[in-house]
Amino acid sequence: EVQLVETGGGLVQPGGSLRLSCAASGFTFTDFWMSWVRQAPGKGLEWVANINQDGSDKYYVDSVRGRFTISRDNGQTSVSLQMNSLRGDDTAVYFCTRDGGTLSAADLWGQGTLVTVSS
Amino acid sequence: QMTQSPSSLSASVGDRVTITCRASQTIISYLNWYQQKPGKAPRLLIHTASTLQSGVPSRFSGSRSGTDFTLTISSLQPEDFATYYCQQSYITRTFGQGTKVEVK
Repeated sequence: EVQLVETGGGLVQPGGSLRLSCAASGFTFTDFWMSWVRQAPGKGLEWVANINQDGSDKYYVDSVRGRFTISRDNGQTSVSLQMNSLRGDDTAVYFCTRDGGTLSAADLWGQGTLVTVSS
Repeated sequence: QMTQSPSSLSASVGDRVTITCRASQTIISYLNWYQQKPGKAPRLLIHTASTLQSGVPSRFSGSRSGTDFTLTISSLQPEDFATYYCQQSYITRTFGQGTKVEVK
């Protein structure tokens, strides 16, 4: 089955760290860019970061650059998001997505994992 | 930056619904449309402005005029009440603010 499954969400204190993982299956992982998209409670979608097929190109939204790091393990067909210096406005459901290419839409989404930043 | 309008609309089954998205600079045709229902992940409807994603009903269509993009639902069905987002994929990625389609 073609799917993405995110894990790693939870409650973390402001200033803390969390690592999200996304396991991909059912397709040729190395053919695709991968992204993380988040959605704060009751709010719209915000693209967070993406990574190319071999991990050599990475891009971030300004609000997370320098705090978050996207990476991938092609052997394990997984993509991760290391989140440091977390703030309250990072509270959101984080979705992992598959992108066809550098200019492509997200044609496959995971179910999302909730990150709550609170003391 | 993507400016999506309206932020919400009320419609009835069978209505023709139009949602627009304006880009602040050229994005060529790298504009995508998604549908999201409460508690669910978004679903890709249309990519590159007007190409229907596989499995999406033909009542959904997209068009482009310069930096203005339109999503049209030709005859609204009960399962179409949801929130719709545009997204540009030309310069990294940016989503519009969303349009909630509600029952009139």
